[in-house]
Amino acid sequence: QLRLQESGPRLVKPSETLSLTCTVSGGSIGSSEYYWDWIRQPPGKGLEWIGNIFYTGTTYYNPSLKSRVSISVDTSKNQFSLKLSSVTAADTAVYYCATDATSGNWLDPWGQGTLVTVSS
Amino acid sequence: QSVLTQPPSVSGPPGQRVTISCTGSSSNFGAGYDVNWYQQHPGTAPKLLIYGDSFRPSGVPDRFSGSRSGTSASLAITGLQAEDEADYYCQSYDNSLSGSVFGGGTKLTVL
Repeated sequence: QLRLQESGPRLVKPSETLSLTCTVSGGSIGSSEYYWDWIRQPPGKGLEWIGNIFYTGTTYYNPSLKSRVSISVDTSKNQFSLKLSSVTAADTAVYYCATDATSGNWLDPWGQGTLVTVSS
Repeated sequence: QSVLTQPPSVSGPPGQRVTISCTGSSSNFGAGYDVNWYQQHPGTAPKLLIYGDSFRPSGVPDRFSGSRSGTSASLAITGLQAEDEADYYCQSYDNSLSGSVFGGGTKLTVL
């Protein structure tokens, strides 16, 4: 059974780069059955898809964030990572990683999420 | 503004049936992409409730059902229980964005 866990700094200064890592356990990130996604949720607001990556390194990004986002994968560590540059207070959110079934695009399971605050 | 449109809130007394709508467009539902639904209780991660329009993951009660027709989808909950009080989100794939899209979320209140 797949399990995902986010990790990384909880506080980032404005204009700097937010970096998070998602560690996958219970299965291989090299599986062709899944994409690996990042989603975020600002406090009190809805869900926003950030982007995803396949184990081969193929990525897809939300056009609204594409200029600032980079997602990478490390198959040797069974991890994938998110970098979001030039952050502002509007990037304050709970960031989730999730498994995205290639057979149907549903997201399951999700990590528990980590709140990242952008503040000086 | 979300690509998929949901009502901000719905409510009903225990035991009743409620539905939550999700309206899309020709680049998601209209293009044949499935709808998936998630339930989120406060302070927790979203949980997959319905996938592939109408399939329930193991452990999800059959009180929850989903459907899709044309550019719209809906989630129905019968026999409302207090534990159903949560936020519900629809999600699909959008070929104009080449990625996932979510509805804005619907808060279900059990009166």
